[in-house]
Amino acid sequence: SQQGEEDPQALSIQEGENATMNCSYKTSINNLQWYRQNSGRGLVHLILIRSNEREKHSGRLRVTLDTSKKSSSLLITASRAADTASYFCATAKGYSGGGADGLTFGKGTHLIIQP
Amino acid sequence: GAGVSQSPSNKVTEKGKDVELRCDPISGHTALYWYRQSLGQGLEFLIYFQGNSAPDKSGLPSDRFSAERTGGSVSTLTIQRTQQEDSAVYLCASRQVAGRGEQYFGPGTRLTVT
Repeated sequence: SQQGEEDPQALSIQEGENATMNCSYKTSINNLQWYRQNSGRGLVHLILIRSNEREKHSGRLRVTLDTSKKSSSLLITASRAADTASYFCATAKGYSGGGADGLTFGKGTHLIIQP
Repeated sequence: GAGVSQSPSNKVTEKGKDVELRCDPISGHTALYWYRQSLGQGLEFLIYFQGNSAPDKSGLPSDRFSAERTGGSVSTLTIQRTQQEDSAVYLCASRQVAGRGEQYFGPGTRLTVT
């Protein structure tokens, strides 16, 4: 079942603008990750933020995590046409060795960057 | 180095037939995961392996689905008596150690059941 819910479902912006996507989840987590998917195939890992972190940066990406609100946001600054893709958040529960370890994905945001 | 590979990339099968999907993880990765992505259900976790054992099969949708992993490497996902609702992209991922670090995904197998 889908735990995360991203919004918006679709986002279209001009190249150079910033894009913000949000994700909400339902259960306690160990970490939250963001993935990108091009053309409905393989997923590429973008960034991971742990439950005890509030903000993380990687290049043009900025992720925030609010565990009290069970929400996260992904900001892509100075967007480029190549950023056009679907973006998914995924949550991981605490791993206790031999237990559940699969990721729970949100429904994704389809981002279109207009050149 | 080589990433996760999956075969076939596309598979069309008739309803009621069995299919086998293959995943070759990154060499040395002990943990391997299967996911399914469909329009109606989004991305769903199916099963994961630590070595050759599967501690978590909770995502397998029915007993028509099974998976095995041999030699701590290649994994096969088998769907018996396929149904149209099995049509989806089946994604495999691996990571070095279960519970730590990112998962590296393969390109997926697009399964179409007619």
